[in-house]
Amino acid sequence: GQSLEQPSEVTAVEGAIVQINCTYQTSGFYGLSWYQQHDGGAPTFLSYNGLDGLEETGRFSSFLSRSDSYGYLLLQELQMKDSASYFCAVSPLEDMRFGAGTRLTVKP
Amino acid sequence: DTGVSQDPRHKITKRGQNVTFRCDPISEHNRLYWYRQTLGQGPEFLTYFQNEAQLEKSRLLSDRFSAERPKGSFSTLEIQRTEQGDSAMYLCASSLTGDDNEQFFGPGTRLTVL
Repeated sequence: GQSLEQPSEVTAVEGAIVQINCTYQTSGFYGLSWYQQHDGGAPTFLSYNGLDGLEETGRFSSFLSRSDSYGYLLLQELQMKDSASYFCAVSPLEDMRFGAGTRLTVKP
Repeated sequence: DTGVSQDPRHKITKRGQNVTFRCDPISEHNRLYWYRQTLGQGPEFLTYFQNEAQLEKSRLLSDRFSAERPKGSFSTLEIQRTEQGDSAMYLCASSLTGDDNEQFFGPGTRLTVL
């Protein structure tokens, strides 16, 4: 089966950097994705890592280590609007499995 | 609006009734996914389609759930004999084949079973 673990909550202040970790266990693996979901909204795609290493998209970066079954999402220059839930998701085959999510609270 | 749309946005039903939800994906997307999400949890995979073919169905999905995508465009998800445990947000997403990791989600249908 598949399992993903990520912290349930993270709190940081505006302008800071925060890292959200994700460890996974899956019988097959294509890659690790990250999604953001604001309260009452739909999940929106942030990034995808199919290969080991760092992917950077503006203030957001995502990292993957296949050998460690581990990845993280790095958010820099935090803004109040970044307060949301963040989900890591693995693609074991052609479907997708999501973690339980990390609720990020950004304080002024 | 060229995004994923879902109808209805909210549905309240009594236990034992049947309900049907509709999803209209982004027009050029040939993959369509259904998920269920409860409060404080991530989306839970239910099933997905490649065009009109249903390629996978979660083992967690009971026989009361069925989905169709008859012409490879819109999809319907039906829940028969609803139970209180079916109360959740039902999300639809679509993507292009080969780009499955970037899925575009609709606003969801919130189901409340009384």
